[in-house]
Amino acid sequence: QSALTQPASVSGSPGQSITISCTGTSSDVGGYNYVSWYQQHPGKAPKLMIYEVSNRPSGVPDRFSGSKSGNTASLTISGLQAEDEADYYCSSYTSSSTWVFGGGTKLTVL
Amino acid sequence: QLQLQESGSGLVKPSQTLSLTCAVSGGSISSGGYSWSWIRQPPGKGLEWIGYIYHSGSTYYNPSLKSRVTISVDRSKNQFSLKLSSVTAADTAVYYCAGATGPWFDPWGQGTLVTVSS
Repeated sequence: QSALTQPASVSGSPGQSITISCTGTSSDVGGYNYVSWYQQHPGKAPKLMIYEVSNRPSGVPDRFSGSKSGNTASLTISGLQAEDEADYYCSSYTSSSTWVFGGGTKLTVL
Repeated sequence: QLQLQESGSGLVKPSQTLSLTCAVSGGSISSGGYSWSWIRQPPGKGLEWIGYIYHSGSTYYNPSLKSRVTISVDRSKNQFSLKLSSVTAADTAVYYCAGATGPWFDPWGQGTLVTVSS
């Protein structure tokens, strides 16, 4: 199975909005509403930010939102804050009953 | 609140078997609806899903690792384990265990670094 495709890096200024894309195929992202997003700060374990495409776990700010169109899912962070600087990974369930992650995107808050 | 903690050897020789355990606290590993996963991250690289085991005992593995991976559950100790055989330097990574009540990974353990070196 191939990793989902994410941009290597994105950046934005405090207060701005950014979007990270996650492109797969009809066998994973496009086939199921089982896309989740994770935030990882250096040296820390990943943290669930979005599940089932657009749902936020309790405690995750509503500045974080998710969506999907066809084979591409997206994570949008509005009102960027310094603490949002981290690596972000998408993940999707696949038609083989397995899971696949994206390559990760480094978010820099300028 | 469910918490997970990895443990095991931090240094493994090439061709040997990597063995890790994930202790589950704050809940029962036998709880219906839960699946238990292993995920790894080579230094400076992205996340790679290794496999998972359902509460029923069914297992699913990453096709690229399937021939070398075994995930099992020890209900008496409330923990699950990972064995990866015939390791090489490419298996050097931080290994995370994670639980899931649905199609996502949460919570995660803190991760443990395993280095493959002679």
